[in-house]
Amino acid sequence: DTGVSQDPRHKITKRGQNVTFRCDPISEHNRLYWYRQTLGQGPEFLTYFQNEAQLEKSRLLSDRFSAERPKGSFSTLEIQRTEQGDSAMYLCASSQMGEQFFGPGTRLTVL
Amino acid sequence: AQSVTQLDSQVPVFEEAPVELRCNYSSSVSVYLFWYVQYPNQGLQLLLKYLSGSTLVESINGFEAEFNKSQTSFHLRKPSVHISDTAEYFCAVSLDTGRRALTFGSGTRLQVQP
Repeated sequence: DTGVSQDPRHKITKRGQNVTFRCDPISEHNRLYWYRQTLGQGPEFLTYFQNEAQLEKSRLLSDRFSAERPKGSFSTLEIQRTEQGDSAMYLCASSQMGEQFFGPGTRLTVL
Repeated sequence: AQSVTQLDSQVPVFEEAPVELRCNYSSSVSVYLFWYVQYPNQGLQLLLKYLSGSTLVESINGFEAEFNKSQTSFHLRKPSVHISDTAEYFCAVSLDTGRRALTFGSGTRLQVQP
């Protein structure tokens, strides 16, 4: 399978814990995006990378959120001191020339 | 900033009937327009896009959308739906050809009934 992959697919955590998600983009795609989708809403942009450079961050990305793409390949999204409002589907997408290809998402539930 | 409005959260329709899913956008600058589809338990997939040229764009599975600049709309239509078209449909805009952030609408759930 050469699509975008995300790990884990599901994560349940207790409020206050830290969580980290991983995204593996399509090989050779230089752009990687993170979105968040809550129930009944469309995806909301969080941040994106071109190679290893983080080019844009949304206001939604609070100080508790950090994203990295250290070698320009896979990316991680970390949420520190999780809150119940962080419960959502976290989507990753990658692109090369324009179209963004989405992964299956990581569903986070904060208890 | 740009925004997207999908007024219909759910659209029930019978199989083989026509359907229109509405999308309106707001932006102070030119935007590029997209429709994404999300089938149950699957990731988002690009259905069609308007970047330039003909204002009527088509997908391989019979959907079409028309860019109307004066009405700031990009409605999605299909003349005859199938059960397999049941999914969530999202309209999105971008300031770039898709390389920058996408701004999505809240989605429309198309429920095709036999």
